[in-house]
Amino acid sequence: AQSVAQPEDQVNVAEGNPLTVKCTYSVSGNPYLFWYVQYPNRGLQFLLKYITGDNLVKGSYGFEAEFNKSQTSFHLKKPSALVSDSALYFCAVRVNTGRRALTFGSGTRLQVQP
Amino acid sequence: GAVVSQHPSRVICKSGTSVKIECRSLDFQATTMFWYRQFPKKSLMLMATSNEGSKATYEQGVEKDKFLINHASLTLSTLTVTSAHPEDSSFYICSARDGLESHEQFFGPGTRLTVL
Repeated sequence: AQSVAQPEDQVNVAEGNPLTVKCTYSVSGNPYLFWYVQYPNRGLQFLLKYITGDNLVKGSYGFEAEFNKSQTSFHLKKPSALVSDSALYFCAVRVNTGRRALTFGSGTRLQVQP
Repeated sequence: GAVVSQHPSRVICKSGTSVKIECRSLDFQATTMFWYRQFPKKSLMLMATSNEGSKATYEQGVEKDKFLINHASLTLSTLTVTSAHPEDSSFYICSARDGLESHEQFFGPGTRLTVL
């Protein structure tokens, strides 16, 4: 079975400050990890993914994430937050064999204050 | 990137009626489509995996006779909520993959279903 944990329901950060949204995962096998963002009443937009290779992955809108195998984590980061980054963020995982559907974390709401 | 559309974006229906939601891949062929359900302030829960030309694979606890899925072509999958009840009210999101080896899923904008 595969699972994803996002321990924070909400993260508050001031505009211009760095932000981190946490994600840990559990899978049997090699993980494929993803971050998506969702704006109100909208579908999910892809931010970035880790498949293999460099542990630091850079994605859309200045976001990046670091794959840490020993800690089974894939935290989302951005050096300088914008008010427009305020949204719901989902971490997702799947393994590279068998069922290819994504398992999502519970989501973290990011609130960036001006 | 690839585009997935859903129609309608919002639907309100009476209890007991059936509602069909369409999911289309606009600029690629989707061998596999996924249907998710999202409750307010909750994560996405996978309902079923839809493969073109074959029967959908439903997740445990999802009634396949209630949530009918048809994937008749490589660009279209439909979800029909039969005999809808107020507890079926939710945000339904589809996603599509453009190949067996593709790592990425492209998500539709979602359909808000309200059953009165």
